[in-house]
Amino acid sequence: AQSVTQPDIHITVSEGASLELRCNYSYGATPYLFWYVQSPGQGLQLLLKYFSGDTLVQGIKGFEAEFKRSQSSFNLRKPSVHWSDAAEYFCAVLPGGKLIFGQGTELSVKP
Amino acid sequence: GAVVSQHPSWVICKSGTSVKIECRSLDFQATTMFWYRQFPKQSLMLMATSNEGSKATYEQGVEKDKFLINHASLTLSTLTVTSAHPEDSSFYICSARPDRTQPQHFGDGTRLSIL
Repeated sequence: AQSVTQPDIHITVSEGASLELRCNYSYGATPYLFWYVQSPGQGLQLLLKYFSGDTLVQGIKGFEAEFKRSQSSFNLRKPSVHWSDAAEYFCAVLPGGKLIFGQGTELSVKP
Repeated sequence: GAVVSQHPSWVICKSGTSVKIECRSLDFQATTMFWYRQFPKQSLMLMATSNEGSKATYEQGVEKDKFLINHASLTLSTLTVTSAHPEDSSFYICSARPDRTQPQHFGDGTRLSIL
């Protein structure tokens, strides 16, 4: 069955430091992959998506993600984290018509 | 960009009442809309897929008679929680997409509290 795993439930980074959030998926073919961000009490905002082509995709707010087929991964990165990046991050895969979400990674940013 | 509006953002009501939540795609037509439920500190759980002009498809374990979904137009889907009870208290989020090749866009969610 298709699934998405985000191994880190909670990550804390210092402001200005680099960030990498991990995402692994289980799917037979190349899926559509997404990263969403959710601020407390809010809906989800799409950061970036991968459908095909260049495996390094750029998103909004300075985020990027790299699709690695050999590792079944789609890790999210940002070179320098800002305090406003503190939120919950969800990786998702679209194997067909319905999104499957990972468990989420809560990002805290310390001054 | 694609905007999805969800209303109300917060509702408190007494046990036994019914609550309707609206989800609108403001700048695109959405043949498919989705309804999710989210518990604190957890991921989103898909409740149902709503297709314009047809019956919704519910996920396993979701009560169809409890959570009524209507998708009467290409820009509006509604979720009605019937005879709500405290265990129905949760954060409900809708999403919509123009077609299967496009990503889903999410509303800001509705916080439902049943007293």
